[in-house]
Amino acid sequence: QQQVKQSPQSLIVQKGGIPIINCAYENTAFDYFPWYQQFPGKGPALLIAIRPDVSEKKEGRFTISFNKSAKQFSLHIMDSQPGDSATYFCAASIGSSNTGKLIFGQGTTLQVKP
Amino acid sequence: DAGVTQSPTHLIKTRGQQVTLRCSPISGHKSVSWYQQVLGQGPQFIFQYYEKEERGRGNFPDRFSARQFPNYSSELNVNALLLGDSALYLCASSFQGEPYGYTFGSGTRLTVV
Repeated sequence: QQQVKQSPQSLIVQKGGIPIINCAYENTAFDYFPWYQQFPGKGPALLIAIRPDVSEKKEGRFTISFNKSAKQFSLHIMDSQPGDSATYFCAASIGSSNTGKLIFGQGTTLQVKP
Repeated sequence: DAGVTQSPTHLIKTRGQQVTLRCSPISGHKSVSWYQQVLGQGPQFIFQYYEKEERGRGNFPDRFSARQFPNYSSELNVNALLLGDSALYLCASSFQGEPYGYTFGSGTRLTVV
């Protein structure tokens, strides 16, 4: 119940394409769903996050779609660029919890070809 | 402003040894969390500290321990190192421990040989 399942494991797209990364969860107590971007040798950096009371959130070229009934959420990267090549992690947390514990998916390595 | 700083950046230890990793949170942040990231996997929660008190602990053996100091910096200690402890150890800080706006450091890469 504490798992977050992420797919695909890796993804290759051409510049300008729209990679889509999917995540699924079981614990309905989760109420905060962030996406992190990680470059080699760096820590994860928060990209965008959503709460279950909205179905979509956009920030720049990044969009989260959220399906509460299916317990799934996904990240879309519009007009992808070679600089977007990185590893992406979805995560989930109980925002009201005082432990701040994030449950991460296993990651998706994205390569955007020029 | 300085972000979350971790030291050392890289470390090589022998099986059975002990290691101490250090983290300084963003100024004003009172909570520090530690995560272990094994190569090819997502980070796994180890500990969270807030105001020097342990608030949460992940599914890690007692060989892992941590503490937080009055200046909110933190140390993670791992005793009796195993080969499987080889990983990137990440520190994240937040104002009061909430998951929103976690800021991660660049991590300490620990290799156990």
